[in-house]
Amino acid sequence: DAGVIQSPRHEVTEMGQEVTLRCKPISGHDYLFWYRQTMMRGLELLIYFNNNVPIDDSGMPEDRFSAKMPNASFSTLKIQPSEPRDSAVYFCASSPLLVNYGYTFGSGTRLTVV
Amino acid sequence: GIQVEQSPPDLILQEGANSTLRCNFSDSVNNLQWFHQNPWGQLINLFYIPSGTKQNGRLSATTVATERYSLLYISSSQTTDSGVYFCAVDAGKSTFGDGTTLTVKP
Repeated sequence: DAGVIQSPRHEVTEMGQEVTLRCKPISGHDYLFWYRQTMMRGLELLIYFNNNVPIDDSGMPEDRFSAKMPNASFSTLKIQPSEPRDSAVYFCASSPLLVNYGYTFGSGTRLTVV
Repeated sequence: GIQVEQSPPDLILQEGANSTLRCNFSDSVNNLQWFHQNPWGQLINLFYIPSGTKQNGRLSATTVATERYSLLYISSSQTTDSGVYFCAVDAGKSTFGDGTTLTVKP
């Protein structure tokens, strides 16, 4: 398996633009997580899905953020409109189960909003 | 929410030395994981260890759930061990500690 695949690796956008980050989890993994990493706040869980259904989105910072998982092999995290404070590395991770198995992380998307 | 504290925040070692990293957490947890973030930013899962002891090569981990702490042992450290080590717990919501930054010098 190629692991968790995220795209793009880097994204530079202007304030106010819409940004879409993409994630392909490992086949057969029922759980998908979106995290954000910043120097100030460390690694934060934004939202996670089980079998394509959002379970906990309490970490989504604002209504400008939305996430979808239309099928078992694809998820998106959208920011509209983007702001400079959204600049961070966004990670996607997947796991076969919530217990007994660790998470496998993707390589992340480094987002810069100017 | 649950508090996760890692110590020490920074650690500098000579190659070949051993080290112990600690993770304290403030409440009962469903699971606990250790991750290594390498200098290129990749997060690698080292252990899933809600309790007990596990070993993988030069690395081992022990979690004492009743006392709310976990330890990560690195023996015979190598320069490739450098990076940030994170502890992550789940008590209904995944929470990461702030990490221990390890630098191994040749």
